[in-house]
Amino acid sequence: GENVEQHPSTLSVQEGDSAVIKCTYSDSASNYFPWYKQELGKRPQLIIDIRSNVGEKKDQRIAVTLNKTAKHFSLHITETQPEDSAVYFCAASRGGNEKLTFGTGTRLTIIP
Amino acid sequence: KAGVTQTPRYLIKTRGQQVTLSCSPISGHRSVSWYQQTPGQGLQFLFEYFSETQRNKGNFPGRFSGRQFSNSRSEMNVSTLELGDSALYLCASSISYQETQYFGPGTRLLVL
Repeated sequence: GENVEQHPSTLSVQEGDSAVIKCTYSDSASNYFPWYKQELGKRPQLIIDIRSNVGEKKDQRIAVTLNKTAKHFSLHITETQPEDSAVYFCAASRGGNEKLTFGTGTRLTIIP
Repeated sequence: KAGVTQTPRYLIKTRGQQVTLSCSPISGHRSVSWYQQTPGQGLQFLFEYFSETQRNKGNFPGRFSGRQFSNSRSEMNVSTLELGDSALYLCASSISYQETQYFGPGTRLLVL
């Protein structure tokens, strides 16, 4: 089955700087890659997703890039703010009726 | 639309007991997935139901089971509880796998 590895497990960034979280996946047939953000004590929420027919997608300060050849995708957060502090999860799915496989999460801390 | 709801929110059980958790999806969502969240392990997939049928199952022992009703509400049951079953159990509903999964607030289970 699919295996998703996520790095780093923890990341501290000065406010205003950029943060990058990387994930690799094992199943070359995977074609859907969402990112979820989980703030302390809250439920995970989708922040951005990308499908395999697209190499990059942006939404304000958040962007995701996908390299299908290397089987990795990354989350980029620019101009980080304190409210970006949370645990971020990447996930992958090969579509159809296949389940989402999540990475183990990255705890991002924004230092004021 | 009302969000995903889960009951109960907190539960304390002793080893050997069984427990039933409930999840009510967003209206119109027919897919309900269950996840176990523990520190350092991320979101571990338990199973997914779609239109009362289990479509996918994760790598959990048979003590973990679930079902879905005709109104898409889902329950999961854990029999013969073990200390290691202590975790946050999250359910998520979606129209399909490759659409946004909306998570419930979770049920925090503590096994003593």
